[in-house]
Amino acid sequence: NAGVTQTPKFRVLKTGQSMTLLCAQDMNHEYMYWYRQDPGMGLRLIHYSVGEGTTAKGEVPDGYNVSRLKKQNFLLGLESAAPSQTSVYFCASSLSGARGYTFGSGTRLTVV
Amino acid sequence: QQQVKQSPQSLIVQKGGISIINCAYENTAFDYFPWYQQFPGKGPALLIAIRPDVSEKKEGRFTISFNKSAKQFSLHIMDSQPGDSATYFCAASLLGAGNNRKLIWGLGTSLAVNP
Repeated sequence: NAGVTQTPKFRVLKTGQSMTLLCAQDMNHEYMYWYRQDPGMGLRLIHYSVGEGTTAKGEVPDGYNVSRLKKQNFLLGLESAAPSQTSVYFCASSLSGARGYTFGSGTRLTVV
Repeated sequence: QQQVKQSPQSLIVQKGGISIINCAYENTAFDYFPWYQQFPGKGPALLIAIRPDVSEKKEGRFTISFNKSAKQFSLHIMDSQPGDSATYFCAASLLGAGNNRKLIWGLGTSLAVNP
């Protein structure tokens, strides 16, 4: 089925560890996004990309890095995890940047 | 000025009732207003959307009402069902820097429909 696939679905990290979250889409969408969702805070944009090889900061980029080496993949990296990064992370893609965001099913990350 | 204010934060409705969620914005540059539905453990999914040149859009039991002069738009769920229990997000889109589209999200409304 076409869509957005996120891996892993769950992860527990110790403070200071690093990890990479992978997002893959097979819809040939130009735009891709990483959001975090926390109770009462809605969806907050971490980083986004408007095409292969491009990345840009969202509203909460500190502590995260991203790469988009291939159009279908968007990677989110945590270099040194902190408890404040405990959250549910969603990747999304869009053809035009506005209409019809397609979201993945999320990654639940706990940093202890 | 780029905020989208959503209310209420949570809503409880009886089965068969009407659920109403409201959103307000300030920036008149917004030109597309989608609603997303999110079930527990899933990502949000596009539910219905409207452009500001239309005052109402209906898809099944879901209706968006749009008031351009008041800068408000709302989602109405008619004949609400327990299966509609989810978190609903409104959003608004505009062209941002570099001619790239930006989507501004409301904080979400948790809807519970009692059987």
